[in-house]
Amino acid sequence: GESVGLHLPTLSVQEGDNSIINCAYSNSASDYFIWYKQESGKGPQFIIDIRSNMDKRQGQRVTVLLNKTVKHLSLQIAATQPGDSAVYFCAENTGGFKTIFGAGTRLFVKA
Amino acid sequence: GAGVSQSPRYKVTKRGQDVALRCDPISGHVSLYWYRQALGQGPEFLTYFNYEAQQDKSGLPNDRFSAERPEGSISTLTIQRTEQRDSAMYRCASSLSMDQGTGKLFFGSGTQLSVL
Repeated sequence: GESVGLHLPTLSVQEGDNSIINCAYSNSASDYFIWYKQESGKGPQFIIDIRSNMDKRQGQRVTVLLNKTVKHLSLQIAATQPGDSAVYFCAENTGGFKTIFGAGTRLFVKA
Repeated sequence: GAGVSQSPRYKVTKRGQDVALRCDPISGHVSLYWYRQALGQGPEFLTYFNYEAQQDKSGLPNDRFSAERPEGSISTLTIQRTEQRDSAMYRCASSLSMDQGTGKLFFGSGTQLSVL
């Protein structure tokens, strides 16, 4: 069935280091992927997205990589800051309107 | 408005009571979604509207759950005869895009439902 999962439930990084958050998806028909950031007490907030016809997309301090061969998605955050501490969700869309979210990875940034 | 607005922010009810959760999407957003989020989990899809049409309600757990968006703007999620297992954060999201497979979601702060 449809599922989006994450390799690591928590990630702890030193301030200034780069962070890599991984995600595995199971539906090979998914053609649109999104990363969301959720801070405590708030709703998920869009970070970056990528379509299945791309393998890399860059934003401000963030990069998303897509490997369709192994159905793997990653979010890279450069020069991680304390404000990046949050739960990060990967989500997939199979061309319909239903966006399926994974369970999330909690990122801790140590000062 | 500036963002997606949900009310009430908190709702405590007794088992067996009906509850209505309201969502006011971002002005001009065509698509509206309802999700349920358990603590420590990702949002779970419930239903989706395009304008006033409910396009997909496959995520609604059972027939006690219903949603409407009669004028294509504000939406109400209704849970009848609430049960303790219905306790969760209910989140609404809206999106500008109406195309399939596109459009980032803007989430509201949610309604925390507690069924005693």
